Amino acid sequence: EPEVTQTPSHQVTQMGQEVILRCVPISNHLYFYWYRQILGQKVEFLVSFYNNEISEKSEIFDDQFSVERPDGSNFTLKIRSTKLEDSAMYFCASRLQRKETQYFGPGTRLLVL
Amino acid sequence: AQSVSQHNHHVILSEAASLELGCNYSYGGTVNLFWYVQYPGQHLQLLLKYFSGDPLVKGIKGFEAEFIKSKFSFNLRKPSVQWSDTAEYFCAVNYGQNFVFGPGTRLSVLP
Repeated sequence: EPEVTQTPSHQVTQMGQEVILRCVPISNHLYFYWYRQILGQKVEFLVSFYNNEISEKSEIFDDQFSVERPDGSNFTLKIRSTKLEDSAMYFCASRLQRKETQYFGPGTRLLVL
Repeated sequence: AQSVSQHNHHVILSEAASLELGCNYSYGGTVNLFWYVQYPGQHLQLLLKYFSGDPLVKGIKGFEAEFIKSKFSFNLRKPSVQWSDTAEYFCAVNYGQNFVFGPGTRLSVLP
């Protein structure tokens, strides 16, 4: 069964450093998403991406965040200058059409020191 | 703003007990509804979903949920829980392109 994959599974970085989280959505899917889950808290929507552009973003997704689909298979989330409060599990998700289920990746656990 | 609430933060049950986890959402027009489960150390997995039709939907592992439009609710049920059901359960609502998750309910099933 096809699945969403994410790399790395864990990343530790120093505050102020840039990080890029990578996702490979299911190959024929058209809608892509990033979510985060701070430890012990709920899953929060960050951004949705369709047709090579951001279609919706939350208040969390400020100028420090950006997304890209550089090559038709990868979908990346970049945090330009990480803060301590960016420490969280980041989930990528994709779906084929709007009225379809989102499939989640296994997540990347980011720790900012 | 759209929001999803879940009634219980932590539920503790003995094996074979019946389960009902509450979920309510704020009105936003047409919605699609989901329950996801997150087992310890694992990622989110879909339990069941409602798009339209029969408001009683059946999912994997014996779970079911009932959509009650008049109450803006989508409660999750299971007649007899097992120790392996210990996990965090998230209700989610799809408004347009956005998904909004509830805060989650931690279920602990005692053997």
